[in-house]
Amino acid sequence: DTAVSQTPKYLVTQMGNDKSIKCEQNLGHDTMYWYKQDSKKFLKIMFSYNNKELIINETVPNRFSPKSPDKAHLNLHINSLELGDSAVYFCASSQNYGMGEQFFGPGTRLTVL
Amino acid sequence: EDKVVQSPLSLVVHEGDTVTLNCSYEVTNFRSLLWYKQEKKAPTFLFMLTSSGIEKKSGRLSSILDKKELFSILNITATQTGDSAIYLCAVEGTYKYIFGTGTRLKVLA
Repeated sequence: DTAVSQTPKYLVTQMGNDKSIKCEQNLGHDTMYWYKQDSKKFLKIMFSYNNKELIINETVPNRFSPKSPDKAHLNLHINSLELGDSAVYFCASSQNYGMGEQFFGPGTRLTVL
Repeated sequence: EDKVVQSPLSLVVHEGDTVTLNCSYEVTNFRSLLWYKQEKKAPTFLFMLTSSGIEKKSGRLSSILDKKELFSILNITATQTGDSAIYLCAVEGTYKYIFGTGTRLKVLA
């Protein structure tokens, strides 16, 4: 049983396209996150959701829109993709804020051509 | 602005060596500090530290936090090639985790 799963694992697309990445956790956690990891392996938070409500939006362009249909899912939709969006995107979850450990999904490697 | 700084950025050692990785932070409303290991894919959890001076230990890995001086260290003794990875330090602040740039460790046979 995969605790945090993401689809797809790889995404190659042209500039200007719109794409979505899906994330699901089966841990019963209340809090979910999206991170972007660049080519230098720097992991930067983009969004965090607690019980389907947006808590943090870290100065991410509004081309990125997260959606949480329920607390087990947090999807990321990206409009008008740009070259600089190429990165690995990780979804993660934690039991709640202040509960320490985050569990990460396997990552989605996005390449924008 | 919140920040987490790790040093060294990279390290190459031989099997059997002992290494110490450093993490210093300036984060508003500190709640905890976490260490992760990242090999080819997703980061995996190693330790969570909330109190100063209490060492957490797991096999050859150990870690300690100093909340007065705002830093943590991760020690790995008797390193093995399987320890080769990026080690990430993250600090939990208000509703978010701030990650350092990581230390890339390579252990040679």
